Amino acid sequence: AQSVTQLGSHVSVSEGALVLLRCNYSSSVPPYLFWYVQYPNQGLQLLLKYTTGATLVKGINGFEAEFKKSETSFHLTKPSAHMSDAAEYFCAVSGGSSGTYKYIFGTGTRLKVLA
Amino acid sequence: DTEVTQTPKHLVMGMTNKKSLKCEQHMGHRAMYWYKQKAKKPPELMFVYSYEKLSINESVPSRFSPECPNSSLLNLHLHALQPEDSALYLCASSHQGIYQPQHFGDGTRLSIL
Repeated sequence: AQSVTQLGSHVSVSEGALVLLRCNYSSSVPPYLFWYVQYPNQGLQLLLKYTTGATLVKGINGFEAEFKKSETSFHLTKPSAHMSDAAEYFCAVSGGSSGTYKYIFGTGTRLKVLA
Repeated sequence: DTEVTQTPKHLVMGMTNKKSLKCEQHMGHRAMYWYKQKAKKPPELMFVYSYEKLSINESVPSRFSPECPNSSLLNLHLHALQPEDSALYLCASSHQGIYQPQHFGDGTRLSIL
C-alpha cells in the first residue's frame, strides 16, 4: 500500500530565503513521486516528477526535489523564494501492482512568502 | 492556459436538480480522472477512465455518474446531491496510466443548496 506524509501544513519563509517542503512516502513497490502546486481558484500544476533514474529531479519555477530511498523522502526545495511561490503544495505517490494502482496526495503544505 | 478545460466554472444547484460537469482535453491522453476537493484538503480520487473504460471507482455514491463518450471528453452527471457534496470538482488527464503525471483543469466549484 502507498501513503504520503507532508510535514508542516503551513510554512513561512522570507522572500529570497530557502524553501524546504517535506514529503515522506510509504510504498511496497518502487514509487512514482510527484510534486504539484495549486494557486487559489485553480487546478493543480505539476512541478516535477520522479519515476526512475537520477534521484535529483529539477522542475519548473526553480524547484527541485531529491529522492532518498533510504529515508523514504522526496523533499521539495528552492534556493530563493519569490512572492509568486505562495501557494498550496501537494506531494503525491503513485504505485501498486497491476489492477491496484493508486494515486495518493499528501495533505498539502501552504507556503507563505514574507516580504 | 490550462490544457484541460472544465465547464462550467461555477454551478449552484438544488438537491433535486440534475446537472452535468464537462471536461475536455486534446492532448491525446488516454486516462482521465475525476477528483473531489474540499476546502483546505487534498484532492480525493473519484473515478478513473482508461481507454474510455471505467477502471477505478473509489466507492463513490451513485448520485455521481461518470461518462466517457470518447477519448477527449469526460462527463460527471449529478443527481439528488447533498449539501456535503459541495466542493471543487477537478478533472485531470494523463498520457496513459495512473502512475503518470496528471494535467488538471481549473475545476468546477459546485454548491448544493
